[in-house]
Amino acid sequence: DIQMTQSPPSLSASLGDKVTITCQTSQNINKYIAWYQQKPGKAPRLLIGFTSRLVSGIPSRFSGSGSGRDYSFSISNVESEDIASYYCLQYDNSPWTFGGGTKLELK
Amino acid sequence: EVQLVESGGGLVQPGRSMKLSCAASGFTFSDYYMAWVRQAPKKGLEWVASISYEGSSTYYGDSVKGRFTISRDNAKSTLYLQMNSLRSEDTATYYCARHLAMMPPAYWGQGTLVTVSS
Repeated sequence: DIQMTQSPPSLSASLGDKVTITCQTSQNINKYIAWYQQKPGKAPRLLIGFTSRLVSGIPSRFSGSGSGRDYSFSISNVESEDIASYYCLQYDNSPWTFGGGTKLELK
Repeated sequence: EVQLVESGGGLVQPGRSMKLSCAASGFTFSDYYMAWVRQAPKKGLEWVASISYEGSSTYYGDSVKGRFTISRDNAKSTLYLQMNSLRSEDTATYYCARHLAMMPPAYWGQGTLVTVSS
């Protein structure tokens, strides 16, 4: 199975900051990584697929990049509505695997 | 409007079985792969299983392989998850989600809570 090492587990940011979350995979996943946002008590929301493809309707302050085994997700100009947990998902190989999550809080 | 509504969760004793359902509407059910993803209380997400358009191919996470069975009824636009030999570590909110082949799930239901406890 492909292991996903997501960091940091938690992140504290001020409004307007840029934050970056990384996911390192145990093997090449050929850019098949997605990023999700989840707020308490809600289902996950897909933000980005295939490393950097922004889902329709998602603000452009969200972005993703990477290749091979190393991927990153950024939020520029953090807004209050961005306070949530974020997860990466590799869907290159079955079983699909999620990263452990990053909880974004306001400083 | 795309809707996925899970049902069938509740309290079940260890070792017993439970069957979850996910009723889909607002789209052509047979045009999509379907998946189950779970989340233990205060924990992260774990992919459980996926099933292909007509149900001919199924995929499972290691922790549920051999105990859980994913299936679908396209005529009823309904996805199922038969869970046998339940363990306390299966306690979680179970979400159903739709996706295309080699695409991540974009639409999710609101989840149904399964609690495995004596």
